[in-house]
Amino acid sequence: EIVLTQSPATLSLSPGERATLSCRASQSVSHYLAWYQQKPGQAPRLVIYDTSNRATGISARFSGSGSVTDFTLTISSLEPEDFAIYYCQQRSNWPLTFGGGTKVEIK
Amino acid sequence: QVQLVEFGGGVVQPGTSLRLSCAASGFTFRNYAMHWVRQAPGKGLEWVAGIGYDGRNKYYADTVKGRFTISRDNSNSTLLLQMDSLRAEDTAVYYCARDVSGTAWDYWGQGTLATVSS
Repeated sequence: EIVLTQSPATLSLSPGERATLSCRASQSVSHYLAWYQQKPGQAPRLVIYDTSNRATGISARFSGSGSVTDFTLTISSLEPEDFAIYYCQQRSNWPLTFGGGTKVEIK
Repeated sequence: QVQLVEFGGGVVQPGTSLRLSCAASGFTFRNYAMHWVRQAPGKGLEWVAGIGYDGRNKYYADTVKGRFTISRDNSNSTLLLQMDSLRAEDTAVYYCARDVSGTAWDYWGQGTLATVSS
């Protein structure tokens, strides 16, 4: 099973600041990595798929990068609605796995 | 518009069974692979099971293999999850999600809570 490790666990930032979230895989996932956003009491929402492709309706302030085992989700300038938990997920191998999540909170 | 609505959650005792349903609408259900993902209270996301568009290919997490069965009824646009031999650690909100050509999951239901407790 591929283990995804997200860091940091919590990111405390102010609106307008840049957020950089990391996801590291225990083995290569090629480019088959996605990012999901989840707010309290809501279902997850797809943000980025295949490392760097924004999902429909996702703002251009979200960008993804990386390859093989190291991936990054960047939010260029945090808006109030961006404060949430973000999960990375790989589809390179079965079983599909998620990272433990990074909570982006208001400082 | 695309909608996924889960049903069937509830409170059951350990060792018993529960059957979850996910009613799909707003898209051609038979063209999409589907998945179940769960989230224990206060915890992260865990993929549970996935099924191909025609129901032939099925995949399971090791934690549920042999106890859970995923299936689908394309004539009624419904995804199912039969959960047997339930354990306390199966307590979670269960989401169904649509698979976009094997790339990611673009639509999710609102989730249904299954609680396993004596």
